[in-house]
Amino acid sequence: KQEVTQIPAALSVPEGENLVLNCSFTDSAIYNLQWFRQDPGKGLTSLLLIQSSQREQTSGRLNASLDKSSGRSTLYIAASQPGDSATYLCAVSSSARQLTFGSGTQLTVLP
Amino acid sequence: GAGVSQSPSNKVTEKGKDVELRCDPISGHTALYWYRQSLGQGLEFLIYFQGNSAPDKSGLPSDRFSAERTGGSVSTLTIQRTQQEDSAVYLCASSSLGGTEAFFGQGTRLTVV
Repeated sequence: KQEVTQIPAALSVPEGENLVLNCSFTDSAIYNLQWFRQDPGKGLTSLLLIQSSQREQTSGRLNASLDKSSGRSTLYIAASQPGDSATYLCAVSSSARQLTFGSGTQLTVLP
Repeated sequence: GAGVSQSPSNKVTEKGKDVELRCDPISGHTALYWYRQSLGQGLEFLIYFQGNSAPDKSGLPSDRFSAERTGGSVSTLTIQRTQQEDSAVYLCASSSLGGTEAFFGQGTRLTVV
């Protein structure tokens, strides 16, 4: 059974800092890995999707990497802003049928 | 539509009543998922629909929960005889195919009193 772990559970940084969020998964046989953002009381917003054959994806200040063999992904956020404050969720698709989610990292960027 | 639409956004119901939650996926998306997010918990898979194939119901927590998808588009999640532990946010997602990028709705917050 696939298990996804995210570290740290919470992170507080001053505005402008670069930061890294970590995600690990136990079964390396994945279709893809997706990073989401969730604001309080809201649904999930897709940030980046990395296919199993890819090593990284970039969107603006966000860069996600994938090391399938070691079961790890990182989400790098450059020049953090208060508007980046949210919970970041990592999800792995181990089959075509469902995503397995981590518990998330709650990020606070202080002005 | 432009995104995944869920209704209602909030639902308060009395214990023992039945509720129906609706999901309108992105037009053309053949895969549809339901997840549940309890307070302070991660997302729990409930059910998956792909085209005309039999749904994967392996995540449904009890036989009080059921879901259908009519015409390969709109889906309804039904919870019968609601219990207080059913209180959660119910999230729906769709993707063009199973295993591709999933897009989520804003969720339905269900409160059972």
